[in-house]
Amino acid sequence: DAKTTQPPSMDCAEGRAANLPCNHSTISGNEYVYWYRQIHSQGPQYIIHGLKNNETNEMASLIITEDRKSSTLILPHATLRDTAVYYCIVRVAGTSYDKVIFGPGTSLSVIP
Amino acid sequence: DAGVIQSPRHEVTEMGQEVTLRCKPISGHNSLFWYRQTMMRGLELLIYFNNNVPIDDSGMPEDRFSAKMPNASFSTLKIQPSEPRDSAVYFCASSTRQGGNSPLHFGNGTRLTVT
Repeated sequence: DAKTTQPPSMDCAEGRAANLPCNHSTISGNEYVYWYRQIHSQGPQYIIHGLKNNETNEMASLIITEDRKSSTLILPHATLRDTAVYYCIVRVAGTSYDKVIFGPGTSLSVIP
Repeated sequence: DAGVIQSPRHEVTEMGQEVTLRCKPISGHNSLFWYRQTMMRGLELLIYFNNNVPIDDSGMPEDRFSAKMPNASFSTLKIQPSEPRDSAVYFCASSTRQGGNSPLHFGNGTRLTVT
């Protein structure tokens, strides 16, 4: 089972910031938080990841709460092409363990 | 970097036939994952390899499914015999390990239709 919970769907106006929440209350200290998105039937696309600190790249920002039990993916200026399913997952890779489980994700619709 | 390469992109076959899906991971990646995606069940992890060794195949649905990784640059997922309920998009992904501090890179998938 996925170790994260996300709202099934969200809407966002074009040009506005899209804030996608994720709950991972059972996360352990060495697990990273990852965000991916999937457009139509393409393969999931990596967006960003982090362990404890907030992260930013050219696609998005990731805000992780201090207790690490939840996070928010921020798309600063959503466009129509950001309409996709967004997946939040947690991952840790040991010498004999590297299971990466995807939940149902959040279907984001960017509205003109 | 050519990314993860999967073949074929589309496969249509009749029930009972053998199907082989292929994956070439990114060079230097030592973890490989096979996923299946359907509308009903979403993205399901079937099996994953580390350094060409299968680590966990608990997601493989039945004995009809088998996966191999004979070397670091090639993996196959075989279904024999295929059934209509196997129709899905199958994705392969690769990654380095680094304790989990490395993203998975996905291929474009193989869309399998079993009639």
